Amino acid sequence: ETGVTQTPRHLVMGMTNKKSLKCEQHLGHNAMYWYKQSAKKPLELMFVYSLEERVENNSVPSRFSPECPNSSHLFLHLHTLQPEDSALYLCASSRAFVRDMENIQYFGAGTRLSVL
Amino acid sequence: DAKTTQPPSMDCAEGRAANLPCNHSTISGNEYVYWYRQIHSQGPQYIIHGLKNNETNEMASLIITEDRKSSTLILPHATLRDTAVYYCIVRGNAGNMLTFGGGTRLMVKP
Repeated sequence: ETGVTQTPRHLVMGMTNKKSLKCEQHLGHNAMYWYKQSAKKPLELMFVYSLEERVENNSVPSRFSPECPNSSHLFLHLHTLQPEDSALYLCASSRAFVRDMENIQYFGAGTRLSVL
Repeated sequence: DAKTTQPPSMDCAEGRAANLPCNHSTISGNEYVYWYRQIHSQGPQYIIHGLKNNETNEMASLIITEDRKSSTLILPHATLRDTAVYYCIVRGNAGNMLTFGGGTRLMVKP
């Protein structure tokens, strides 16, 4: 148990569906992250939020829409996805998003997404 | 951020020490070395990190060479549950983004 909870653990959706992934952290952290892990590829950072403001967006297609209503919750809204978007989506949190300082990220177990 | 190089795979006998090497020859003075591991189909798990000195915690030890160009993660008594992909990451002033490479797939065998 890392203190970061992701739901659902598994999701199957059609290309025309709209779904959302949820992440909740119970660590009192101020920064939250979305990563994507495709089969046989390294983890890719998608979005970073610090104090509920988006601070990084790594050229992610607009069919992925993040939302951070407060420092404990992070959502990833999905619409009109493609089969190649099938992957493990991981959420992480850290105490803060501060450059030049050590910082440890704690990850959830991920949501395994399959797009049909 | 400095790039890291790790062997793609390693085997270790159960109960023996697992020594996982990482080269980071372009590391700069303010960059930390982090180790994470990922057990199949789970999220990455933080193990340990260090800047210059060797570090030890309940999970592992981290040995950093004096010139900081390489490091070794040591699992003192590997168990079957330590089978995972181990990632060595060097992060500095580019922000809090962790850049994951291919890692080392450690197989602990009975």
